[in-house]
Amino acid sequence: RKEVEQDPGPFNVPEGATVAFNCTYSNSASQSFFWYRQDCRKEPKLLMSVYSSGNEDGRFTAQLNRASQYISLLIRDSKLSDSATYLCVVPYANQAGTALIFGKGTTLSVSS
Amino acid sequence: NAGVTQTPKFRVLKTGQSMTLLCAQDMNHEYMYWYRQDPGMGLRLIHYSVGEGTTAKGEVPDGYNVSRLKKQNFLLGLESAAPSQTSVYFCASRTSNYGYTFGSGTRLTVV
Repeated sequence: RKEVEQDPGPFNVPEGATVAFNCTYSNSASQSFFWYRQDCRKEPKLLMSVYSSGNEDGRFTAQLNRASQYISLLIRDSKLSDSATYLCVVPYANQAGTALIFGKGTTLSVSS
Repeated sequence: NAGVTQTPKFRVLKTGQSMTLLCAQDMNHEYMYWYRQDPGMGLRLIHYSVGEGTTAKGEVPDGYNVSRLKKQNFLLGLESAAPSQTSVYFCASRTSNYGYTFGSGTRLTVV
């Protein structure tokens, strides 16, 4: 699937590091985007929404570049608890309605 | 407020058997979705519904049927299970402007 592409990683970083993930998407009509976090064998959970150029929530910053059709997620001061898979999510709309298309995810491992 | 509840949580089926997975949400959400997640494949959309009485096909609908007779429930049916349908199934719901709320998943093994 080419609609949403992510680097699968894994990204292995020490505690306190800053790490960034990128995601590219093919649907230029998409207006809103999401980052989800998924822990092993658990359901995905919404981390951040991105509706305009960017969004910041504590240590997490999401940015959107519509011209280049990519979204990024920056995590500052990484914690052990940040270890998870991060899913980039892009809406897809057709005549039947709107659904979200998920990237395959980027795995982050934070070590002490 | 339970959010999204999936039943059952685990199931083992023999090839050719049928079963129904139930998804129930108590948030009055209009939109409901069924995804499957396989190693290395990410989450893939099976079917979805934008309202009571409506359903639509997603990326991988073959071998599955769905029904949305009540707004709060979205059923996923496997008429004749195949080993290729071994997966983790996630149901999700949402309102029009917010991200999904997922259920905790159903782990299905077809032998």
